[in-house]
Amino acid sequence: KQEVTQIPAALSVPEGENLVLNCSFTDSAIYNLQWFRQDPGKGLTSLLLIQSSQREQTSGRLNASLDKSSGRSTLYIAASQPGDSATYLCAVIGRESNYQLIWGAGTKLIIKP
Amino acid sequence: DGGITQSPKYLFRKEGQNVTLSCEQNLNHDAMYWYRQDPGQGLRLIYYSQIVNDFQKGDIAEGYSVSREKKESFPLTVTSAQKNPTAFYLCASSIEGWGDRQFFGPGTRLTVL
Repeated sequence: KQEVTQIPAALSVPEGENLVLNCSFTDSAIYNLQWFRQDPGKGLTSLLLIQSSQREQTSGRLNASLDKSSGRSTLYIAASQPGDSATYLCAVIGRESNYQLIWGAGTKLIIKP
Repeated sequence: DGGITQSPKYLFRKEGQNVTLSCEQNLNHDAMYWYRQDPGQGLRLIYYSQIVNDFQKGDIAEGYSVSREKKESFPLTVTSAQKNPTAFYLCASSIEGWGDRQFFGPGTRLTVL
């Protein structure tokens, strides 16, 4: 059964630092991997979607990488800002999960001014 | 503005009551989804619909029911059979199906009194 893990559960860094969030999954036969952002008490915002054939995707200060063979993805945030404070979730979709999204529990990120 | 709306934002339910959560989208998306989010856990799929008048159970469908009479609308009813309904409920949609980026509504927080 596909499992998605995000470690650490929480992370606090000073403003301006570059940082990396981690996502690991147990079954490498995925169709795509997605990163989302969730602000407290709000819905989710899609950040990046990486197809299984891709190695990375970039959007502004965000860069997501995918290494299927090792079952890992990272979300790199450059020059962090207080507005980046949120919970970041990753989710994978694959044949093993009957093509439904399987979610990690998220990493709560706090950027200190 | 195109998007997904959910109402109400907060909902309180007494024991034994059925309540219905609204989800509407004007993105012309075929697929719609209902998720439940509990603290410290990943999102869990309740129901999904890939086309009007058709829907499928997700991992935790027991105690819930849905309908998809219109492309724009996918209401979720939390029945009295759902023993632990207190949670944050998120509705999402995508253009066609699972491989597409999902767009989320703002969520409904349901509390059982």
